[in-house]
Amino acid sequence: NAGVMQNPRHLVRRRGQEARLRCSPVKGHSHVYWYRQLPEEGLKFMVYLQKENIIDESGMPKERFSAEFPKEGPSILRIQQVVRGDSAAYFCASSPPRGDSGNTIYFGEGSWLTVV
Amino acid sequence: DAKTTQPPSMDCAEGRAANLPCNHSTISGNEYVYWYRQIHSQGPQYIIHGLKNNETNEMASLIITEDRKSSTLILPHATLRDTAVYYCIVRVRGTGGFKTIFGAGTRLFVKA
Repeated sequence: NAGVMQNPRHLVRRRGQEARLRCSPVKGHSHVYWYRQLPEEGLKFMVYLQKENIIDESGMPKERFSAEFPKEGPSILRIQQVVRGDSAAYFCASSPPRGDSGNTIYFGEGSWLTVV
Repeated sequence: DAKTTQPPSMDCAEGRAANLPCNHSTISGNEYVYWYRQIHSQGPQYIIHGLKNNETNEMASLIITEDRKSSTLILPHATLRDTAVYYCIVRVRGTGGFKTIFGAGTRLFVKA
């Protein structure tokens, strides 16, 4: 999957704890996307970020979820006060900067969050 | 919402060509068609994309109709490892740029 690195691959949290998922994009890619996949469901777009900017967060839940992509370091998806319904696979993707629709995005292998 | 429609599932015999159709009747002239697949418990894998012309790479071929309202992904010699969900995508313009929205895809079963 072209070098998008996600960690941790598996994370277990108790209800009410915080989960932090990290994504290092392909070297040279300045755009990052986060997706969520609930068990037996499809991939749902959450948020699209460029370095230090949130471009589109139309798919992010209004509460408890936040994302950042700092100037240095990986992108972080943060889930506060996790609930059982947050148990899912979270996929990150990255792409180089390109303004048209012909901009291929590459996915990581995902982070599996289990809330107990 | 996804801008494409695909059959929910298909079967293919191992070693035969798998032809996966996709309708994208509202596609605009400068929008690309993308195909990804997701093998169980893995991240989506990019397969191929195209704008107007047919495309071929080491994984597959993409045939786009002249009016661009539909396309077909062809896996020339399907193997058991090609069993996966295949997604046909036309990227959607959102705030600040294009985003990749997944539909339900086609679940391809390759059978021995």
